[in-house]
Amino acid sequence: GNSVTQMEGPVTLSEEAFLTINCTYTATGYPSLFWYVQYPGEGLQLLLKATKADDKGSNKGFEATYRKETTSFHLEKGSVQVSDSAVYFCALTNRNFNKFYFGSGTKLNVKP
Amino acid sequence: SQTIHQWPATLVQPVGSPLSLECTVEGTSNPNLYWYRQAAGRGLQLLFYSVGIGQISSEVPQNLSASRPQDRQFILSSKKLLLSDSGFYLCAWSKAYEQYFGPGTRLTVT
Repeated sequence: GNSVTQMEGPVTLSEEAFLTINCTYTATGYPSLFWYVQYPGEGLQLLLKATKADDKGSNKGFEATYRKETTSFHLEKGSVQVSDSAVYFCALTNRNFNKFYFGSGTKLNVKP
Repeated sequence: SQTIHQWPATLVQPVGSPLSLECTVEGTSNPNLYWYRQAAGRGLQLLFYSVGIGQISSEVPQNLSASRPQDRQFILSSKKLLLSDSGFYLCAWSKAYEQYFGPGTRLTVT
């Protein structure tokens, strides 16, 4: 089956610290992988994506590389800001694109 | 460009009352449409999805129902709300491999 596992939160960092949020997946075939961000009281926003192995998705200083050999898609940012405080969701969709599978979300708190 | 609307933004309803939440998408045709629920501090639970007009797939047995009367309109309904129906309801659309979310409706059942 298809599933996504994310590291438990919350993750608390100081401003300008390095961020890693781990995400691993189980999927049949060759899924597309995503990171979404949710700010308080809002819907989810697509942050970045990767559609095949070794692709690197990037946006707003965040990066994630599709690692087929380790079935992982870890989110990284070199220097976090207070404005990055949000909940981050890892997700995948598979061949038929009808369903998307989400991790449980990781809350990030960045302190000034 | 595509946009997705949900309304109302917030709703407070008594137990046993009916519910109707609406979602519309602009700027695309024949999208897949989805309803998710998010309990406080929790992840997303897929409730329904639709690949076309009148085609609804239910993911979780419950007292909610969904309908798709038009290509870009998706409605979530209930005849009688339960306390456990409280949550943040998100509509989403997708085409190919990307999914986009609406702003959500905060439902409180009292």
